[in-house]
Amino acid sequence: EDQVTQSPEALRLQEGESSSLNCSYTVSGLRGLFWYRQDPGKGPEFLFTLYSAGEEKEKERLKATLTKKESFLHITAPKPEDSATYLCAVQVRSNDYKLSFGAGTTVTVRA
Amino acid sequence: KAGVTQTPRYLIKTRGQQVTLSCSPISGHRSVSWYQQTPGQGLQFLFEYFSETQRNKGNFPGRFSGRQFSNSRSEMNVSTLELGDSALYLCASSLSTGANVLTFGAGSRLTVL
Repeated sequence: EDQVTQSPEALRLQEGESSSLNCSYTVSGLRGLFWYRQDPGKGPEFLFTLYSAGEEKEKERLKATLTKKESFLHITAPKPEDSATYLCAVQVRSNDYKLSFGAGTTVTVRA
Repeated sequence: KAGVTQTPRYLIKTRGQQVTLSCSPISGHRSVSWYQQTPGQGLQFLFEYFSETQRNKGNFPGRFSGRQFSNSRSEMNVSTLELGDSALYLCASSLSTGANVLTFGAGSRLTVL
């Protein structure tokens, strides 16, 4: 069965303190790995899609990387507005296009 | 442009009742997916509709059903509600089935008493 595990569950950072979130996956044939951000009371918001090991994507203070077993979301010099829950999801090579989500990492950035 | 609209945003039901949730996708998007989000299980896939046809279904009991209309709007229904059905129900739309990027609505928060 496909498994997606995110760590840590929660992360408290000081403004400007860079850190990384981990998403490890066990799937039979990865089609794509997705990162979403979810703010309280809102639906997830798409951040990145990664397709193959070695691929990297960047957006403002966020950078996502992918290996054959895991993905990292690096937050560089975070600001309070980066506080959110970050969700990782995988899509498997098959006729099944559903996304399988991890439990998420809740990031709190203090000013 | 308008995003994915879900109604109602909040609702309270009692055990045994049924509920219908509505989702209007982004204009031009033809695929609609539904997810259930709970603190314990996270986001779990319910089903996906494309061109009024259910393309995929998650591991939920038959009490959970859905449909899609010709204008791509979608509804999901839960019958014989149980306490464990309390959750945030999220709808997401995409241009076509299998599309990579899902755009989510804000969700419908269902509380079952």
